[in-house]
Amino acid sequence: KAGVTQTPRYLIKTRGQQVTLSCSPISGHRSVSWYQQTPGQGLQFLFEYFSETQRNKGNFPGRFSGRQFSNSRSEMNVSTLELGDSALYLCASSPDRVSYGYTFGSGTRLTVV
Amino acid sequence: ILNVEQSPQSLHVQEGDSTNFTCSFPSSNFYALHWYRWETAKSPEALFVMTLNGDEKKKGRISATLNTKEGYSYLYIKGSQPEDSATYLCAEDQAGTALIFGKGTTLSVSS
Repeated sequence: KAGVTQTPRYLIKTRGQQVTLSCSPISGHRSVSWYQQTPGQGLQFLFEYFSETQRNKGNFPGRFSGRQFSNSRSEMNVSTLELGDSALYLCASSPDRVSYGYTFGSGTRLTVV
Repeated sequence: ILNVEQSPQSLHVQEGDSTNFTCSFPSSNFYALHWYRWETAKSPEALFVMTLNGDEKKKGRISATLNTKEGYSYLYIKGSQPEDSATYLCAEDQAGTALIFGKGTTLSVSS
């Protein structure tokens, strides 16, 4: 059974550019969440999607946006990149997180130079 | 969204030692408490999800307890092994909101 797939694995961008990250959840999982991990900050919540609808949004600026498609695949976009956006971005999916918890992808490591 | 706190931040033990970590969470809007293990170069892996006050869960040498009235959970590892070395994350599932993670406890087990 395929796991949660995130692409690309690594990305280097320049300040001011924009970036799109992709997440394909496990088949049948309709809930997808995104987290940012930076040293010393732990996992910071970005978005949660369920059946193409954003259910929750974390405390991030409007430069961070996301969406979910009808096949449950999700993308997140960061515009006007700043050095502080350098982080590991993790995607997680679940059929029912209270019963099963999340399954995480391997993440996308974004470096902004 | 109030913070989930974990202690200690890091811990170093010898092989065979038993150890425990604490997770404290604001309990006013509690729905569930999650524990994850995150090994280096891997993805976080779900260990337990607990919902009821007094819940105890066990998986091999690892167990967890939950006290929703006072807002804390303990994770215990019996007879630590080098392969238990990882960062252990807890997260509070708050009703109507997202899963909020603590910063984790990093465990290092020496052989």
